Amino acid sequence: DAGVIQSPRHEVTEMGQEVTLRCKPISGHDYLFWYRQTMMRGLELLIYFNNNVPIDDSGMPEDRFSAKMPNASFSTLKIQPSEPRDSAVYFCAIRRARNTGELFFGEGSRLTVL
Amino acid sequence: GENVEQHPSTLSVQEGDSAVIKCTYSDSASNYFPWYKQELGKGPQLIIDIRSNVGEKKDQRIAVTLNKTAKHFSLHITETQPEDSAVYFCAAEDNNDMRFGAGTRLTVKP
Repeated sequence: DAGVIQSPRHEVTEMGQEVTLRCKPISGHDYLFWYRQTMMRGLELLIYFNNNVPIDDSGMPEDRFSAKMPNASFSTLKIQPSEPRDSAVYFCAIRRARNTGELFFGEGSRLTVL
Repeated sequence: GENVEQHPSTLSVQEGDSAVIKCTYSDSASNYFPWYKQELGKGPQLIIDIRSNVGEKKDQRIAVTLNKTAKHFSLHITETQPEDSAVYFCAAEDNNDMRFGAGTRLTVKP
């Protein structure tokens, strides 16, 4: 079964603090995506990787956001410094290959920045 | 870039009735159109998808239709059940650039 484990599930932090969100795929994949979900803007693609290489980061809102994928089993999304408007649910998703279609989403990390 | 519009934003139906959700897209290069169901506290989960070379696809109580000329596609759920209550998202994709609609909150009343 395809799957993604995200951590933490919930994080509350204060403005200015660094936030690191983690994603661990537990099945084979070629692509890994980071999405952000808010009531106002819905599901937005932030960045995606193909075979651990960042391909398109045009959705990353600002330089405060960065993402890495050091190996096929792990990816991080970092926000430094965090701001209240970064409050959202962040999803990691994987796809096995370009044309198979389905994205397998994790359960998300709910971030609240006070 | 692609822009996906989804309607309605909320939909309430009686158990056993049908539900229809409609989406339009702007980029004629989009060739893959999935529908995702998101339950509270969970990530979206694919329920059905359709590619641009197909006009209709059905899977039990769920069907999707695609009109490429008009750039719109629809989700049809028949014989709705309370467990169908969730938020549904349509999406349109070209080359790994998948854009989602704003979502439809479906409530099925028993």
